[in-house]
Amino acid sequence: DAGVTQSPTHLIKTRGQQVTLRCSPKSGHDTVSWYQQALGQGPQFIFQYYEEEERQRGNFPDRFSGHQFPNYSSELNVNALLLGDSALYLCASSLAAAGYRTDTQYFGPGTRLTVL
Amino acid sequence: GDSVTQMEGPVTLSEEACLTINCTYTATGYPSLFWYVQYPGEGLQLLLKATKADDKGSNKGFEATYRKETTSFHLEKGSVQVSDSAVYFCALSPRIRGGADGLTFGKGTHLIIQP
Repeated sequence: DAGVTQSPTHLIKTRGQQVTLRCSPKSGHDTVSWYQQALGQGPQFIFQYYEEEERQRGNFPDRFSGHQFPNYSSELNVNALLLGDSALYLCASSLAAAGYRTDTQYFGPGTRLTVL
Repeated sequence: GDSVTQMEGPVTLSEEACLTINCTYTATGYPSLFWYVQYPGEGLQLLLKATKADDKGSNKGFEATYRKETTSFHLEKGSVQVSDSAVYFCALSPRIRGGADGLTFGKGTHLIIQP
């Protein structure tokens, strides 16, 4: 049973560029959440997608956007990159129970983004 | 808003010592509580969880009890091993019927176990 997968593993960009990160959820999961983890810090929630719609967003600017596809995979896009966007980006998947909160989130290995 | 506070690290212990990592939280309602572990160069792995007051989560010798009266979820292990060296994160998830549940994490506690 494949777990959560993310691509690419590492990425180097320059300020002002745009980046797209990809995530495939654990088999059977339908909800994808994205987190940013700066060096030495805990992960910060960016947003969550369910049924191809963003249903919750953390305190991140509009430069951060996402998408969820019919097969439940997801992309995270960041525009106009800043040096401060350098971080480990983590994707987590879970299963939404009808009419109630989602279940435990399982994390992928992350994508390390470096902005020069 | 919701928040999680963990004891600062690094925490350095000798092998077979007892471990306690403190975690307290602030949240509306009755959140679910989690401990995640992150090994060097890897993503987060779920260690244990508890979904209601007085629940005890346990896994791999680690335990944590959901204490609503003290808003705490301290991580404990009776005898640590070198392989337990990692960063440990306490996190909470709001229990919102039909709603989303982005996790709120603490800053993490770096645990170092010496042989």
